[in-house]
Amino acid sequence: QKEVEQNSGPLSVPEGAIASLNCTYSDRGSQSFFWYRQYSGKSPELIMSIYSNGDKEDGRFTAQLNKASQYVSLLIRDSHPSDSATYLCAVSGGYQKVTFGTGTKLQVIP
Amino acid sequence: DAGVTQSPTHLIKTRGQHVTLRCSPISGHKSVSWYQQVLGQGPQFIFQYYEKEERGRGNFPDRFSARQFPNYSSELNVNALLLGDSALYLCASSETGQKAFFGQGTRLTVV
Repeated sequence: QKEVEQNSGPLSVPEGAIASLNCTYSDRGSQSFFWYRQYSGKSPELIMSIYSNGDKEDGRFTAQLNKASQYVSLLIRDSHPSDSATYLCAVSGGYQKVTFGTGTKLQVIP
Repeated sequence: DAGVTQSPTHLIKTRGQHVTLRCSPISGHKSVSWYQQVLGQGPQFIFQYYEKEERGRGNFPDRFSARQFPNYSSELNVNALLLGDSALYLCASSETGQKAFFGQGTRLTVV
């Protein structure tokens, strides 16, 4: 079982719709959860971090965490074509390495 | 403030050669981590350093080594390069080792 699992996609959504990206993790001791956006040929860019159960909103982005289900999600409201990228879920267990999923490719169709 | 800077941005090496990649973290950040990313995969953890001490090591052969200097900059060294070492090498800077900010990466091609 992979430590951090994501559906590789591509996930296609029309412009203006809500994009929902999901991630599961295997280590119950994980404490910190991150979403990164990576455009083709570029390095990952941190867009959200979440540390406790529930929702965290930042502009058009909402991160959701359910530790009991070992599940993290990212919602992108009012999707723009510029949101088209690969979204990486990352998990950390304290002062330790950050483990990344393989990423979900999102395509926002104009 | 400057972000994480990596050098060089691109590099072509021949099999069997040695390579050194460099990273300067964000000012005030004491932790540097190195990742390898091959096409279509997420970043794979190689090393983490905090306050000049190795805090973690990923599942990479001993050909890979790293160090962190008193100014918190870091080097990643890879010996006896293989074709399979071709990848994007990412340096990430953080205050404590978790919330990480990446540099632009070094694209290494081994021929």
